[in-house]
Amino acid sequence: EPEVTQTPSHQVTQMGQEVILRCVPISNHLYFYWYRQILGQKVEFLVSFYNNEISEKSEIFDDQFSVERPDGSNFTLKIRSTKLEDSAMYFCASGTGDSNQPQHFGDGTRLSIL
Amino acid sequence: GQNIDQPTEMTATEGAIVQINCTYQTSGFNGLFWYQQHAGEAPTFLSYNVLDGLEEKGRFSSFLSRSKGYSYLLLKELQMKDSASYLCAVSSSGGSYIPTFGRGTSLIVHP
Repeated sequence: EPEVTQTPSHQVTQMGQEVILRCVPISNHLYFYWYRQILGQKVEFLVSFYNNEISEKSEIFDDQFSVERPDGSNFTLKIRSTKLEDSAMYFCASGTGDSNQPQHFGDGTRLSIL
Repeated sequence: GQNIDQPTEMTATEGAIVQINCTYQTSGFNGLFWYQQHAGEAPTFLSYNVLDGLEEKGRFSSFLSRSKGYSYLLLKELQMKDSASYLCAVSSSGGSYIPTFGRGTSLIVHP
């Protein structure tokens, strides 16, 4: 069964540095998403991406964040000037965009800011 | 906005049945998802309800009442591997189908 893959599985970074989290969505999906889950808290939506542009973003997704689809397979989340509170699990998901179809999540990248 | 409530934690015995409730308030409704999430892993899809009633899928069933803003996930013949967090997520009809997740219910199954 096709799956969403994310790299790295764990990223440790010094505060103030930039990180890039990578995702390869399922190949025939058209919608891509990033979510964040701080330890012990709920899954929070960050941004959705369709047709090479952001289709929706949450209040969390401010100027510190950006997304890109640099080629036909990868989907990246860049976090600039990382802060301690950016430490979380970051999940990439992809889907068909149909309201009755679930999003498929990757295994996540655990980001630890020191 | 949306508000989704679930119990924080539940415990049950292996082989038993457990019902995890979810109540929601949302501006418009376009469906409700249940996901399972094991510790440190990704959420995995369990069920989707958009019409009132019960959807059965093996040991798992999900119920929806739109008029009451209420859903439950029913797990039968519990197994130890069912110990996980169960996430209720609601999709609104305000132009976006992106679901909003509840905090999840941590289910502990003991022998």
